[in-house]
Amino acid sequence: EAQVTQNPRYLITVTGKKLTVTCSQNMNHEYMSWYRQDPGLGLRQIYYSMNVEVTDKGDVPEGYKVSRKEKRNFPLILESPSPNQTSLYFCASSLGGSPYNEQFFGPGTRLTVL
Amino acid sequence: DQQVKQNSPSLSVQEGRISILNCDYTNSMFDYFLWYKKYPAEGPTFLISISSIKDKNEDGRFTVFLNKSAKHLSLHIVPSQPGDSAVYFCAASEQDAGGTSYGKLTFGQGTILTVHP
Repeated sequence: EAQVTQNPRYLITVTGKKLTVTCSQNMNHEYMSWYRQDPGLGLRQIYYSMNVEVTDKGDVPEGYKVSRKEKRNFPLILESPSPNQTSLYFCASSLGGSPYNEQFFGPGTRLTVL
Repeated sequence: DQQVKQNSPSLSVQEGRISILNCDYTNSMFDYFLWYKKYPAEGPTFLISISSIKDKNEDGRFTVFLNKSAKHLSLHIVPSQPGDSAVYFCAASEQDAGGTSYGKLTFGQGTILTVHP
């Protein structure tokens, strides 16, 4: 089944404790992206990647890191999480960077930083 | 600075009637627009899209209208069904002068649609 998977689905952590949210897609997509969803703000792009070893900042990259060492994986790293990073996170992928290619979203990761 | 705005946080409609969801944008460089639907505990799923060279795109019960001069688009669902109850996000994309996508979607805040039986 073609899908985007994220792990963990739910995470409660404390301020400053490094964490990684994994994202994997099995559709051989070149393009991958991370979003966060917050009430009243919709989905905002954190980082995106056009291909392996090619990443760029989205609208809200502060406090986050990403890497794209393999085509299928695009982990989101929070080196020192803070409470304002409490949010619902979505990973997405598509065939290419063109908007004409539908973006497929993962099921989401709900992160709480205490 | 919200470049894509959905000013109605919620919409309630009777089954069988038309649902109209609205979206406004400010960036004149946006050239492709999409609607996504999101159910609770799931990721958004693509619904329908429209290029800026068109003013209408239809797919079954779903039609998207684009008014470039007003920087406004709308999603019409006819007839509405209880299974359409979800959060609907409008999104927009732009390309650079070379025709390459920045790979970035800008989303609106979302509208919660409730269709009553």
